[in-house]
Amino acid sequence: EAGVTQSPTHLIKTRGQQATLRCSPISGHTSVYWYQQALGLGLQFLLWYDEGEERNRGNFPPRFSGRQFPNYSSELNVNALELEDSALYLCASSLVLAGTDTQYFGPGTRLTVL
Amino acid sequence: AQSVTQLGSHVSVSEGALVLLRCNYSSSVPPYLFWYVQYPNQGLQLLLKYTSAATLVKGINGFEAEFKKSETSFHLTKPSAHMSDAAEYFCAVSSMDTGRRALTFGSGTRLQVQP
Repeated sequence: EAGVTQSPTHLIKTRGQQATLRCSPISGHTSVYWYQQALGLGLQFLLWYDEGEERNRGNFPPRFSGRQFPNYSSELNVNALELEDSALYLCASSLVLAGTDTQYFGPGTRLTVL
Repeated sequence: AQSVTQLGSHVSVSEGALVLLRCNYSSSVPPYLFWYVQYPNQGLQLLLKYTSAATLVKGINGFEAEFKKSETSFHLTKPSAHMSDAAEYFCAVSSMDTGRRALTFGSGTRLQVQP
């Protein structure tokens, strides 16, 4: 069974540009989560999508946005990039069942903002 | 609100020695607890999880963790360290209150294994 996949592996942008990161969940999983792992800041929750809807959002500005497609894959968009957006962006997927919610992570996209 | 504290940002052990990585949590409702491992330049791999069943949880690669409600702890152990265990380990908590399914992570513990 294929795991969570993310693309691209690396992305280099300049300040002010937009970045688009993509995630494909494990087959059968309907929830997708995005996390940011920035140097010195640890792993921080960004967004949660389930069944095509945004369900929860972390403490990030609105220029961080995304969507989930009918096939449950997801896109994270970061507008007006700032230097501090440089980080590893991790996507996770889960199948939310009553009482359980185990998140499985992809390899991440390394975003570098110059 | 929920939080996780991992004591010790760096832990160094000798190959064959006991591994003990500490995690304390705070949660207003019964938590789900997880340990993940991250190898350099990779994503997170699930080691084990506690979801209110047995308090002693066994995971992959010989790791296990014990949920102690009275101590609000979920420490990770392995009887005998292997060189391949060198990585960063993250403890995480998830609670189902208000439908907030996001994971809250600790700051991580980097494990070094000396030959």
